[in-house]
Amino acid sequence: EVQLVESGGGLVKPGGSLTLSCVGSGFTFNTFSMNWVRQVPGKGLEWVSSISSSSSYIYYADSAKGRFTISRDNAKKSLYLQMNSLRAEDTAVYYCARSVKAWYEAFDIWGQGTMVTVSS
Amino acid sequence: QSALTQPASVSGSPGQSITISCTGTSSDIGGYNYVSWYQQHAGKAPKLMIYEVNNRPSGVSTRFSGSKSGNTASLTISGLQVEDEADYYCSSYTSSTTVVFGGGTKLTVL
Repeated sequence: EVQLVESGGGLVKPGGSLTLSCVGSGFTFNTFSMNWVRQVPGKGLEWVSSISSSSSYIYYADSAKGRFTISRDNAKKSLYLQMNSLRAEDTAVYYCARSVKAWYEAFDIWGQGTMVTVSS
Repeated sequence: QSALTQPASVSGSPGQSITISCTGTSSDIGGYNYVSWYQQHAGKAPKLMIYEVNNRPSGVSTRFSGSKSGNTASLTISGLQVEDEADYYCSSYTSSTTVVFGGGTKLTVL
């Protein structure tokens, strides 16, 4: 079964850091671009960041630039999102998602999401 | 990058057809054929329903179809079923090398 499983969410104070992980299974992880998308509970989806299959190309939303770092370890079939200088507005469910073809085309497999709460 | 514009809600009766619009600009929807649509049931992860404007992934019902005209994309659901009740989001690649989503549309099947 093709699957993505996120972990690492939790409660963190403003200004703090957190690293999210996502493990893929059931597909050849190292041939797909991967992404992070977040969703404030009750609100819409927001694209956060994307990384190509070999990590050669990385893209960020303006809201993530300079604070978040996306990375991957193909040997471990894992995707990461390191989040620094966290703000209350970063509170959301964070999903990892696989790209269909090129990184920007569409996201066909999604994890169940991990909740990040930024609060003092 | 501003979010794509979707109606907040649409509704229909079982068996009817509905269309959800998604309006952007020439820098996103109008400039590229990389529009996709997602279905999200309450408490669940999004599910890809349409990609590249009008392509359905394997396993998605043929009742779902997509189209685009100028800066506006549309998702049409024919033969509405109760299980179609969900939130729907459009997305597009943009000229800023980003991806932008719509604000979401809540579909109610009466």
